[in-house]
Amino acid sequence: NAGVMQNPRHLVRRRGQEARLRCSPMKGHSHVYWYRQLPEEGLKFMVYLQKENIIDESGMPKERFSAEFPKEGPSILRIQQVVRGDSAAYFCASSQFPPGQGRGNYGYTFGSGTRLTVV
Amino acid sequence: KQEVTQIPAALSVPEGENLVLNCSFTDSAIYNLQWFRQDPGKGLTSLLLIQSSQREQTSGRLNASLDKSSGRSTLYIAASQPGDSATYLCAVTSNTGNQFYFGTGTSLTVIP
Repeated sequence: NAGVMQNPRHLVRRRGQEARLRCSPMKGHSHVYWYRQLPEEGLKFMVYLQKENIIDESGMPKERFSAEFPKEGPSILRIQQVVRGDSAAYFCASSQFPPGQGRGNYGYTFGSGTRLTVV
Repeated sequence: KQEVTQIPAALSVPEGENLVLNCSFTDSAIYNLQWFRQDPGKGLTSLLLIQSSQREQTSGRLNASLDKSSGRSTLYIAASQPGDSATYLCAVTSNTGNQFYFGTGTSLTVIP
C-alpha cells in the first residue's frame, strides 16, 4: 500500500499562472480532504470530497480555488491566477470512512504535501 | 468554533529525558483526537489516534491520554532520542464536522 500520493512535491508558478495539485488516496479510501499550511501557521481545512461529490468546501477561498475528485483518477486542487499569498504547503488526506460516523478506529492518512511557491 | 491550543510551542530536552506535550480544545464534543509528527519540509505521520470513548493509547515509547470533559490531551514520550526531534501536532474531529482542527504544534528538539 503506497499510502496517500501527492504530486508534484514542489511546484513553482509565476503570478497569474494556474497551479494543479494532485492527490491519489490510499487504496480503499473514498474520502479525500485538502488542507493548507501557510508559513508559521497551523494546518487549515479547505475541502472534503467523496467520489464525484464535494461534501464540505467551507474552508475554500471563494475565488480562484476549486477541487474535484472524479470517478476515475486522482483528486485535483486547482488554483487559478495564483498570487504570492498562495505560497504554502498543501496537504491531502484520505480516510476509509468520514469522521464522526462511528465506524471504529479510523483516522486520516496524510500525504507528504505539495509545496507551492509563487514567484 | 473549535480551537486547539498546544503548549509549549517549543521544547528542548537532553537525550533520555521523559517529556509531556499538552493539547487543549474548546469544544468537548469530539469524535476523535489524533497526534501527528511533522518533520521539516515533510508530511504528517500519524502517531496515535484516540476515540472519544477511550482514555489513552500507547505505541512503543509514546502514550497519549484524553480527558474529553476537560478538553485536554497529553502526549508522553519516554526516554527521548534525537530522532524524536520534530514538530508534534494535535488535531481533533468534531462529532458533526468533516474536518480536523489542528493546533499549531510543539517543536521538539532532543539534544544528544
